[in-house]
Amino acid sequence: GEDVEQSLFLSVREGDSSVINCTYTDSSSTYLYWYKQEPGAGLQLLTYIFSNMDMKQDQRLTVLLNKKDKHLSLRIADTQTGDSAIYFCAERVNDYKLSFGAGTTVTVRA
Amino acid sequence: EAGVAQSPRYKIIEKRQSVAFWCNPISGHATLYWYQQILGQGPKLLIQFQNNGVVDDSQLPKDRFSAERLKGVDSTLKIQPAKLEDSAVYLCASSLEWSGSLVEQYFGPGTRLTVT
Repeated sequence: GEDVEQSLFLSVREGDSSVINCTYTDSSSTYLYWYKQEPGAGLQLLTYIFSNMDMKQDQRLTVLLNKKDKHLSLRIADTQTGDSAIYFCAERVNDYKLSFGAGTTVTVRA
Repeated sequence: EAGVAQSPRYKIIEKRQSVAFWCNPISGHATLYWYQQILGQGPKLLIQFQNNGVVDDSQLPKDRFSAERLKGVDSTLKIQPAKLEDSAVYLCASSLEWSGSLVEQYFGPGTRLTVT
């Protein structure tokens, strides 16, 4: 099974906030990432957080990190139809390798 | 700046046949990755190159999969013979660095392989 776990689906109304949750296993991970994958495309890095941070904000995106619980979340404010995609959480292990979760499919409804 | 290029985009083969995928990374990126993404799962690293040397191939099924990056630029991934469970999207990615500071991997669009 995956070392990184995510809920599989999220449905959100346009204009609302989306919150995607992730748990990881490697307490020594230096960086944690959020990638976005649109249909037929490769993965695109959305944002990341360094392990000594609790929060990072980047425009509509807010990343929260709880190292004690090994919990990572991504909040998307004012969710738009263009935000419909699969979102992958990833942890960096052994200082060079990425371990991905199975992805959360976000569907934005009007 | 051109992104990571992959070809073909789609491939359908019968089991026991062989297949090859090609990747051209972003210019100047020393590190190249091949991932396997099975439907409903996250990408799984198959092999990682630093220039033309292998950093990690621990999850590459070496009895049937092979990869090379002879001149430290383009790379090919081969499967011979293919099995039904090899049906997946094969993603290539590249990055400037491979360890230490933030390593941003840039992904290609992938090759969707269907084995029948």
